[in-house]
Amino acid sequence: GESVGLHLPTLSVQEGDNSIINCAYSNSASDYFIWYKQESGKGPQFIIDIRSNMDKRQGQRVTVLLNKTVKHLSLQIAATQPGDSAVYFCAEKRGSSASKIIFGSGTRLSIRP
Amino acid sequence: SAVISQKPSRDICQRGTSLTIQCQVDSQVTMMFWYRQQPGQSLTLIATANQGSEATYESGFVIDKFPISRPNLTFSTLTVSNMSPEDSSIYLCSVEGGGKTLSYNEQFFGPGTRLTVL
Repeated sequence: GESVGLHLPTLSVQEGDNSIINCAYSNSASDYFIWYKQESGKGPQFIIDIRSNMDKRQGQRVTVLLNKTVKHLSLQIAATQPGDSAVYFCAEKRGSSASKIIFGSGTRLSIRP
Repeated sequence: SAVISQKPSRDICQRGTSLTIQCQVDSQVTMMFWYRQQPGQSLTLIATANQGSEATYESGFVIDKFPISRPNLTFSTLTVSNMSPEDSSIYLCSVEGGGKTLSYNEQFFGPGTRLTVL
């Protein structure tokens, strides 16, 4: 079936290092991807998005890379800080007018001091 | 960004009862959605709340179990009916489209309602 999934359920990173969270998707028709951050007790927070006609997009300390050949998406966080501790979800929208979001399973990022 | 509030923030309910969750947005929005997040899991879309008409439900969710209202462009309710322990989850509303949307198709999420059914 179609799905958006993550490679690793947990990731532990030393404070100050870079974090890379990976995600795979199976539907080649997917054309819009989003990364969300969810802190404990809160709703998901939009981090960054990317359209399928792009392969890279940068924000503040975050970069999303899209490899359509292997249907792979990654989120890179530079100089990881304690405040980056959260669960990160990749998500997908299909179709420019569709608003339904399909969420991946999530990766918990923990920061070692 | 849009500010979304949900009431109640949490509740503990007895099986067989019903709970109505409210979602209020500080600005008019085009789309409102309801999601369920079971413990330690990802989010699953329940339905799209349509203003002035019946909600659009995803596979596995039905109106009798999860009736939804959306009387205007800033407010929606989700009712969890005839609850069982399997309904214990976080229920979140999200919104999309409107003056406070920062980027294309961005959805904002509420803080969620944590429901425990005994």
